[in-house]
Amino acid sequence: DTGVSQNPRHKITKRGQNVTFRCDPISEHNRLYWYRQTLGQGPEFLTYFQNEAQLEKSRLLSDRFSAERPKGSFSTLEIQRTEQGDSAMYLCASGDTYYGYTFGSGTRLTVV
Amino acid sequence: AQKVTQAQTEISVVEKEDVTLDCVYETRDTTYYLFWYKQPPSGELVFLIRRNSFDEQNEISGRYSWNFQKSTSSFNFTITASQVVDSAVYFCALTSYGNNRLAFGKGNQVVVIP
Repeated sequence: DTGVSQNPRHKITKRGQNVTFRCDPISEHNRLYWYRQTLGQGPEFLTYFQNEAQLEKSRLLSDRFSAERPKGSFSTLEIQRTEQGDSAMYLCASGDTYYGYTFGSGTRLTVV
Repeated sequence: AQKVTQAQTEISVVEKEDVTLDCVYETRDTTYYLFWYKQPPSGELVFLIRRNSFDEQNEISGRYSWNFQKSTSSFNFTITASQVVDSAVYFCALTSYGNNRLAFGKGNQVVVIP
């Protein structure tokens, strides 16, 4: 297993467009997380999946954001009608407190 | 609520000097877990260590060492004999038993000058 994989690494989009990011977790991990990191800040929790069920969502996850994890494998995070404030690094992680959390390299979104 | 404070934002050291990063945490839970991650310019968060609240032993791994003190709610990280490859942002993070969120500090930017 090569760890947590995220695609694309970078995304530049015009304001108002929709974007979708993909995360492939470590295959034996049931839990998957999305975080957002803005410049100069630590990552902030967005949402969490246990297998295919989305069990927790942060208040940061506005109605324009939707995440899915069909079949409990990879996950997608979609942002609709992007705004400049959505520009950030979006990080995916899998694991838990016992085994630790493994993060991917992130998708850096720039909304112009 | 859980909170992690990393007071120093940027720390510059000359190669081979030691550098200590402070992490102070707040939690009402009795079972909790503390982490340190390294984020190089590539952006990936690299796991360094996990500590649970019942294990106060200090730990050393190569040039890295960690000092966990429950009495002061601190989990400090020291890099001994720093190298240029240590230049990165280091994050301290906290979660508790049954919680699925990591609370991160703002990070410490470490710059090692050759």
